[in-house]
Amino acid sequence: KAGVTQTPRYLIKTRGQQVTLSCSPISGHRSVSWYQQTPGQGLQFLFEYFSETQRNKGNFPGRFSGRQFSNSRSEMNVSTLELGDSALYLCASSLALQGYEQFFGPGTRLTVL
Amino acid sequence: GENVEQHPSTLSVQEGDSAVIKCTYSDSASNYFPWYKQELGKRPQLIIDIRSNVGEKKDQRIAVTLNKTAKHFSLHITETQPEDSAVYFCAASPSGSARQLTFGSGTQLTVLP
Repeated sequence: KAGVTQTPRYLIKTRGQQVTLSCSPISGHRSVSWYQQTPGQGLQFLFEYFSETQRNKGNFPGRFSGRQFSNSRSEMNVSTLELGDSALYLCASSLALQGYEQFFGPGTRLTVL
Repeated sequence: GENVEQHPSTLSVQEGDSAVIKCTYSDSASNYFPWYKQELGKRPQLIIDIRSNVGEKKDQRIAVTLNKTAKHFSLHITETQPEDSAVYFCAASPSGSARQLTFGSGTQLTVLP
């Protein structure tokens, strides 16, 4: 099976812009979670989607949003970018009901100038 | 919410020696505890996990122990090899939100040849 894929892998934006990141889960996986990884804050949970519904949300401002499509692919959007949003954004997929294991994608490296 | 503390932040061992990384968690409702290995520039990889109904789990050179009363769990790597060098993250998730992981701050393990 192909692993979790994320596009784009690298992105450079300027403050105030918005960005959309995409995640394709492992075939058959219906849950997608998003995490932000920074040197200062480590790995932090953003939100999780299952069957096109947001199930859980982390402690991030409303500028961070996401959605999931009927094929389980997910997107996250960050509006009004700030310098502090520079990070590696990781998504992880899971079978959800049949197991706990989460498998991560390679991440999207976002740089905000 | 859940808080996970991880120690030590850096660990150097000689090849062939054992390495132990410890984590504590705060939410007694947490019942799933995975460990991830992240090599430089790569995605986190699940290496072992344990659920709260199990006290210990072993997979070849890697083992994890869980003490629910004390709310701590540990990763043990025996017969370390240079390819074990990486950052290791522990995580915890509460019952019902298995895909909402709270991560520790990470341990940089260096295995010296």
